[in-house]
Amino acid sequence: GPKVLQIPSHQIIDMGQMVTLNCDPVSNHLYFYWYKQILGQQMEFLVNFYNGKVMEKSKLFKDQFSVERPDGSYFTLKIQPTALEDSAVYFCASSLGDTQYFGPGTRLLVL
Amino acid sequence: TQTVSQSDAHVTVFEGDSVELRCNYSYGGSIYLSWYIQHHGHGLQFLLKYYSGNPVVQGVNGFEAEFSKSDSSFHLRKASVHWSDSAVYFCAVRNSGGNYKPTFGKGTSLVVHP
Repeated sequence: GPKVLQIPSHQIIDMGQMVTLNCDPVSNHLYFYWYKQILGQQMEFLVNFYNGKVMEKSKLFKDQFSVERPDGSYFTLKIQPTALEDSAVYFCASSLGDTQYFGPGTRLLVL
Repeated sequence: TQTVSQSDAHVTVFEGDSVELRCNYSYGGSIYLSWYIQHHGHGLQFLLKYYSGNPVVQGVNGFEAEFSKSDSSFHLRKASVHWSDSAVYFCAVRNSGGNYKPTFGKGTSLVVHP
């Protein structure tokens, strides 16, 4: 089936530094999402993105977070600066409509 | 605001057993209901969804789910599980309008012993 790729699979970073998580969505998809999952807990919606704009974001999407997809390339989540509580697995998803296809996640550890 | 409740955090069965994973939701309007599976170390994979019509929907790998408006439920079932069905299962709900923003339940970890 359609695949969403995420780069890198793991990232270890010092608190206060910037990190960019990359997502390569399914090629003809129009909607893009980021989710955060802390180990053993539920998936939490962060943000969705359509037509070059953020459609909706949750309370977890702090001011330090930003997303973009310049010219149909990677859909990125940037965190600047990072905090300890940003340690989690971040999942990207894309969709044409309702059914979302998820990537394998990026495991972010902030020290 | 929609909420999703998965009452069982863990379910353990043996291969060949039937299983039902429970999902209850609260929302007043029209909704889409979905189930996703997450194998360890992987992202979520779509299993099935319901919006309208036949309340029993079929998904991949022998899974089905039944919508009940009166019970506000969308339980997932499989008649005979395989060890490879061991995973975490997430129920999700979103309203039919809006921006495709689902709310996920906390997940049910299914362990199938050989």
